Amino acid sequence: EAGVTQFPSHSVIEKGQTVTLRCDPISGHDNLYWYRRVMGKEIKFLLHFVKESKQDESGMPNNRFLAERTGGTYSTLKVQPAELEDSGVYFCASSHLGRGDEQYFGPGTRLTVT
Amino acid sequence: QQQVKQSPQSLIVQKGGISIINCAYENTAFDYFPWYQQFPGKGPALLIAIRPDVSEKKEGRFTISFNKSAKQFSLHIMDSQPGDSATYFCAASDDGDKIIFGKGTRLHILP
Repeated sequence: EAGVTQFPSHSVIEKGQTVTLRCDPISGHDNLYWYRRVMGKEIKFLLHFVKESKQDESGMPNNRFLAERTGGTYSTLKVQPAELEDSGVYFCASSHLGRGDEQYFGPGTRLTVT
Repeated sequence: QQQVKQSPQSLIVQKGGISIINCAYENTAFDYFPWYQQFPGKGPALLIAIRPDVSEKKEGRFTISFNKSAKQFSLHIMDSQPGDSATYFCAASDDGDKIIFGKGTRLHILP
């Protein structure tokens, strides 16, 4: 069974540009999560989808970040316009049942904003 | 404000020794405490988890000790092996979905 996949693995963009990260969860997993780790800091929760609905987006930093999960399959996280402080590793995770069911993490996308 | 505090930041242990990582939390609503292991280039992977109704959980060489009154929990790795070298994260959650992570501990096991 394929794990959670994320694309791209690395992205380097200039301040003010737009970047879209993609996450493909494990097939059949209704719950999809986005997290971010800024260098030297802890991994922080961004948001949680159940199928195509946003269940909890309390961790989204500001309105420059837009997450979507149309059709309840893959998800995208768009940053527009990117700022220097957006640099970090963005992780996606998925789980079948949610609410304490194991979250399986992807390898992450390393975003560098210059 | 950091909700889950983890120490040490880095740890070096001889092969065969015991690795100990400690965490503390403030939010008494937390009821799920997972530990994650992360290797370079990979995402975190669930290692072991505990609920506050038990004080200890053991899986192979990995043991979580939980002290509800002190709001502390720790990971013990017995007979540490070079393959255990990784970054370890303690975490907590009050709903099982939004995971609050500690800052991580980089563990290096000397061969």
